[in-house]
Amino acid sequence: AQKITQTQPGMFVQEKEAVTLDCTYDTSDQSYGLFWYKQPSSGEMIFLIYQGSYDEQNATEGRYSLNFQKARKSANLVISASQLGDSAMYFCVMRDLNPGNTPLVFGKGTRLSVIA
Amino acid sequence: GAGVSQSPRYKVAKRGQDVALRCDPISGHVSLFWYQQALGQGPEFLTYFQNEAQLDKSGLPSDRFFAERPEGSVSTLKIQRTQQEDSAVYLCASSLADEQFFGPGTRLTVL
Repeated sequence: AQKITQTQPGMFVQEKEAVTLDCTYDTSDQSYGLFWYKQPSSGEMIFLIYQGSYDEQNATEGRYSLNFQKARKSANLVISASQLGDSAMYFCVMRDLNPGNTPLVFGKGTRLSVIA
Repeated sequence: GAGVSQSPRYKVAKRGQDVALRCDPISGHVSLFWYQQALGQGPEFLTYFQNEAQLDKSGLPSDRFFAERPEGSVSTLKIQRTQQEDSAVYLCASSLADEQFFGPGTRLTVL
């Protein structure tokens, strides 16, 4: 079974500063994908970034980067130059990549508040 | 629009009523997932379709929950004899490959 742990229920960050949201995972699968999604108060689930278990380079997507440490089973999200619009709930998510299409397993989330 | 749509966006039901929640996936997306998100929690998997075939329904919490996708496009999640613990946001997602695209969700409140 897969499990995602997000230990920070809430985080505060000053506008323009960087912030790291923690995520650890547990799986017996060899091939898996790790995702981060953002959920604003409006409720939609917005895909941010993806890291495959066999990818050697850490994923980056604009101001988002994923600090992937496979041996430690961690996949922290780093947001650089925080903006007020980054205030939202952030979910670390994983999926078994074999076989075919499989459900996403979500963590409990971290609520990020950006302060002006 | 080009995204996943869900209707209704909000639904209030009296305990014991039946409800039906609709999901319109992105055109051409083969896979469709339903998730349940309780207040303050992350979404949890309910069921999965590939085209019209329901390949996994292991997440459905009870036999009061039923989902269908008869023509491989629109899907309906039906909850019979609703209970207060069914109150949640029900999210639908569709995908063609690895990434799942989510709809806005239906917020169900059972009184």
